[in-house]
Amino acid sequence: EPEVTQTPSHQVTQMGQEVILRCVPISNHLYFYWYRQILGQKVEFLVSFYNNEISEKSEIFDDQFSVERPDGSNFTLKIRSTKLEDSAMYFCASSPWTRGTTDTQYFGPGTRLTVL
Amino acid sequence: DQQVKQNSPSLSVQEGRISILNCDYTNSMFDYFLWYKKYPAEGPTFLISISSIKDKNEDGRFTVFLNKSAKHLSLHIVPSQPGDSAVYFCAASLNSGNTPLVFGKGTRLSVIA
Repeated sequence: EPEVTQTPSHQVTQMGQEVILRCVPISNHLYFYWYRQILGQKVEFLVSFYNNEISEKSEIFDDQFSVERPDGSNFTLKIRSTKLEDSAMYFCASSPWTRGTTDTQYFGPGTRLTVL
Repeated sequence: DQQVKQNSPSLSVQEGRISILNCDYTNSMFDYFLWYKKYPAEGPTFLISISSIKDKNEDGRFTVFLNKSAKHLSLHIVPSQPGDSAVYFCAASLNSGNTPLVFGKGTRLSVIA
């Protein structure tokens, strides 16, 4: 069964450093998402991406964050200058986008980001 | 801002019995609801969903019930199995799915053999 994959599974970085989290969505899916879950808190939406541009973004997704689909398979989340409060599990998700029907978002296993 | 609430942080059920997980929401514009299961160190795994035009959806041992007037949904697992032990998240969205999911805090289900 197709699945969303994410790399790395765990990333440790120093405060102020840039990190890039990588995702390979399910191959025929058209909508891509990033969510995050800070330890002990809810899963929160960050950004959605469709047709090579951001579709929606939350208040969390400020100028320090960016997303990119550099090729036909990868979807990346970049944090330019990490802060301690960016430490969280980051989940990538994708959905097929089928006109006229409901769509389900399928999640990857997550990347645990630890900012020291 | 808790638009989706799961008021029970944990639930213990005997193997073979029914597990009922509850979820309430406040935004009447939500029209699509999903349940995800999550094991430690893994991503949320989709279980079952329901559109607001229905009041029940069934898939094997899993049934989701939606009461729009009460803004309440529930997930029933019958019979419960030890492998069902996980954290269950309720999520809701607008416009049938391709919009940001709003998650509840989750309920940890323990199925005791």
